[in-house]
Amino acid sequence: GENVEQHPSTLSVQEGDSAVIKCTYSDSASNYFPWYKQELGKRPQLIIDIRSNVGEKKDQRIAVTLNKTAKHFSLHITETQPEDSAVYFCAASKTSYDKVIFGPGTSLSVIP
Amino acid sequence: GAVVSQHPSRVICKSGTSVKIECRSLDFQATTMFWYRQFPKQSLMLMATSNEGSKATYEQGVEKDKFLINHASLTLSTLTVTSAHPEDSSFYICSAFDPQQGRIGEAFFGQGTRLTVV
Repeated sequence: GENVEQHPSTLSVQEGDSAVIKCTYSDSASNYFPWYKQELGKRPQLIIDIRSNVGEKKDQRIAVTLNKTAKHFSLHITETQPEDSAVYFCAASKTSYDKVIFGPGTSLSVIP
Repeated sequence: GAVVSQHPSRVICKSGTSVKIECRSLDFQATTMFWYRQFPKQSLMLMATSNEGSKATYEQGVEKDKFLINHASLTLSTLTVTSAHPEDSSFYICSAFDPQQGRIGEAFFGQGTRLTVV
């Protein structure tokens, strides 16, 4: 089955700096890659997603890149703010409405 | 977006007892729901896929006799943790898709259930 790895496990940045989280996946059949933000004790919230027919996608301060050949995808957050502090999960699934397999998570801390 | 509601949000039970967790899709019908378990400071681990009107599909390593899943209607799936033990204490969370709402492929999550077995 699918296995998603994620690095780093923890990340601390100064407010205003950029944060980058990298993921790899194992199943070449995966075609949908969502990213979730989870605050303590809360449900995961979808922040951005990308499909295999797209190499890059941007939404304001957040961008994702996908290298399907290498099975790598990354999340980039620019101009970080304290409210960006949370745990971020990358994930993969075979289709848009299939089971979602999560990476281990990255705890991001933005220092004011 | 679509609303998925879980009940209860928190439950404490004694070892050996069973606990039922409900997952409801409030404004849409879901033929498929997914159940995850999340231990503290860990990721969401998929336990099973709940299929309306048929048996659930369990992930490898998940005991189907311990984690009973019932999806009797298009808006309700239940997870029953049978003969609970302290090691079953965790955050259980469900998700469902509504192709009519949200981004294409967006999964909507319930608010989760914090289970503590004492």
